[in-house]
Amino acid sequence: QKEVEQDPGPLSVPEGAIVSLNCTYSNSAFQYFMWYRQYSRKGPELLMYTYSSGNKEDGRFTAQVDKSSKYISLFIRDSQPSDSATYLCAMIRGGSYIPTFGRGTSLIVHP
Amino acid sequence: GAGVSQSPSNKVTEKGKDVELRCDPISGHTALYWYRQSLGQGLEFLIYFQGNSAPDKSGLPSDRFSAERTGGSVSTLTIQRTQQEDSAVYLCASSPQGAGLNTGELFFGEGSRLTVL
Repeated sequence: QKEVEQDPGPLSVPEGAIVSLNCTYSNSAFQYFMWYRQYSRKGPELLMYTYSSGNKEDGRFTAQVDKSSKYISLFIRDSQPSDSATYLCAMIRGGSYIPTFGRGTSLIVHP
Repeated sequence: GAGVSQSPSNKVTEKGKDVELRCDPISGHTALYWYRQSLGQGLEFLIYFQGNSAPDKSGLPSDRFSAERTGGSVSTLTIQRTQQEDSAVYLCASSPQGAGLNTGELFFGEGSRLTVL
């Protein structure tokens, strides 16, 4: 079993939909949680960063961390075709500097 | 400003040949990472450099893989005696201090796509 599990999708939604992307993890030592977005043939870029449990909102994006359930989520409101990409969750143990990534979920937002 | 630069962007090689992949990090970034991304897989950690400290090589899959970082800047990932299972996109990332500090942000290059025939 991988330390970080993420459904690869693809997830296809109509424009304007609310999208929910999720990851589960097994190692309770993870303390820092991130979401990266990766367009085709490009490198990943950071979308959201949270420390420990709670919510964080940035525009149309909301990241949630539930450490008790070892579950993190990324919500995208009013999804746009330009949001079509692969979304990777990533986590870092306390005292480490090396992120562990999920497999990524491919999102397709169709007009 | 300039981002992380990787070369070559594409490399096709024959099984058994050696390959070198180059990474130019963002100027001033002390942390440098190599990851591998295979089709349908997430990013697999390979190696981490931080300043003048000894690198964390715990992710290198075999002794055919090695990496160095010269002068705290440019890094080269070398794969000896390439195998077909080495085919993947090799991504380099740099960070001002190291992920887990401040924003935890890694700045990635566009990757070097390696195909081993």
